[in-house]
Amino acid sequence: DQQVKQNSPSLSVQEGRISILNCDYTNSMFDYFLWYKKYPAEGPTFLISISSIKDKNEDGRFTVFLNKSAKHLSLHIVPSQPGDSAVYFCAASSDNYGQNFVFGPGTRLSVLP
Amino acid sequence: KAGVTQTPRYLIKTRGQQVTLSCSPISGHRSVSWYQQTPGQGLQFLFEYFSETQRNKGNFPGRFSGRQFSNSRSEMNVSTLELGDSALYLCASTIAGGYNSPLHFGNGTRLTVT
Repeated sequence: DQQVKQNSPSLSVQEGRISILNCDYTNSMFDYFLWYKKYPAEGPTFLISISSIKDKNEDGRFTVFLNKSAKHLSLHIVPSQPGDSAVYFCAASSDNYGQNFVFGPGTRLSVLP
Repeated sequence: KAGVTQTPRYLIKTRGQQVTLSCSPISGHRSVSWYQQTPGQGLQFLFEYFSETQRNKGNFPGRFSGRQFSNSRSEMNVSTLELGDSALYLCASTIAGGYNSPLHFGNGTRLTVT
């Protein structure tokens, strides 16, 4: 039973447009959420996080939105660049899990020039 | 500041053998976690060590074990290898290991079991 879901295995976006990556979770105990980006042959790189006391967090071109009632979060990348092409993982944790982050299966983003 | 270092990068082993993977965390980081990544499964949590003690464990069989040394370096061991153990094994570290601290990953060890 997947506790963190990323229902779109892949997404293609034109350079300069907005990329929206979605993530849903089922465990209401999760209260800290992160996004990671992964290039081939490299480990995941931390992008941005949000705790459940907020509904939005911004860092440059990256914004994460959290809708606790819907158990849904999204990552917006504006404007998208070809270098953003990678696999994006959503992850969640709670105090009950310690350092055990639960990861989604990932979404492969392709930004087309 | 050097990142998380994992060695070796690639390994090929035969069924039934055992393997040891090594991880050096970022300097000052005391928590080390291990994850397994396989196609279609995302990242699956193996275990976490903090101050040489296993603090949290995922749902993997006892063939998967680990340890952490006093300098925070960690090793992961897999005994009696099976074909299904072929995966990318990722190590990640954080400063204190609080659940709301981002993990910093190494580039992984790609294990192939034949």
